[in-house]
Amino acid sequence: DTGVSQNPRHKITKRGQNVTFRCDPISEHNRLYWYRQTLGQGPEFLTYFQNEAQLEKSRLLSDRFSAERPKGSFSTLEIQRTEQGDSAMYLCASSSRGGGGEKLFFGSGTQLSVL
Amino acid sequence: AQKITQTQPGMFVQEKEAVTLDCTYDTSDQSYGLFWYKQPSSGEMIFLIYQGSYDEQNATEGRYSLNFQKARKSANLVISASQLGDSAMYFCAMRLSNFGNEKLTFGTGTRLTIIP
Repeated sequence: DTGVSQNPRHKITKRGQNVTFRCDPISEHNRLYWYRQTLGQGPEFLTYFQNEAQLEKSRLLSDRFSAERPKGSFSTLEIQRTEQGDSAMYLCASSSRGGGGEKLFFGSGTQLSVL
Repeated sequence: AQKITQTQPGMFVQEKEAVTLDCTYDTSDQSYGLFWYKQPSSGEMIFLIYQGSYDEQNATEGRYSLNFQKARKSANLVISASQLGDSAMYFCAMRLSNFGNEKLTFGTGTRLTIIP
């Protein structure tokens, strides 16, 4: 169990640029989640995968955001035409089964700063 | 829609003392789960404890216990014998248990500082 890995840890970009983040979940986990956390707030749910299928998306996920999980392993989160309001910590989490009391294992996040 | 409220933005506690972090929740569903996570400065969210809405006993995990009062819709975290390493942000979260729902709703957190 090597934990959930996220890359990069920090990303600074100019407004209007595209950025992509990567998440490698715990290897045997088939569920993968993306959350966004802004300063002074708790994480907010963005989207969720079971294997390679994206099963739930938050209304927070505008058309500029896209997430993929090819082959049900790692996942990428892409933000197109970044805006200053996209500045946040993007957290990835995974779990082996859903629902009930199943706990999520989180990565250390990618801190995005849009200038 | 569900909501989590944490009314203590920050708390300072002397080392070795017990501390209670408050959490109230709002939902009309009968089946749900309540979680507490710790977020140190490294950013990673660390699971601490879970309580199901139908669990009759309060959950305990080592020095952590959850004071669950269903009628009052509160799920306070109690940390006994606090340690310097307990200094971190603490988040209360809820997940509804209906089929297919995987979304965790978090509160705004409490920053706990342990004083030596």
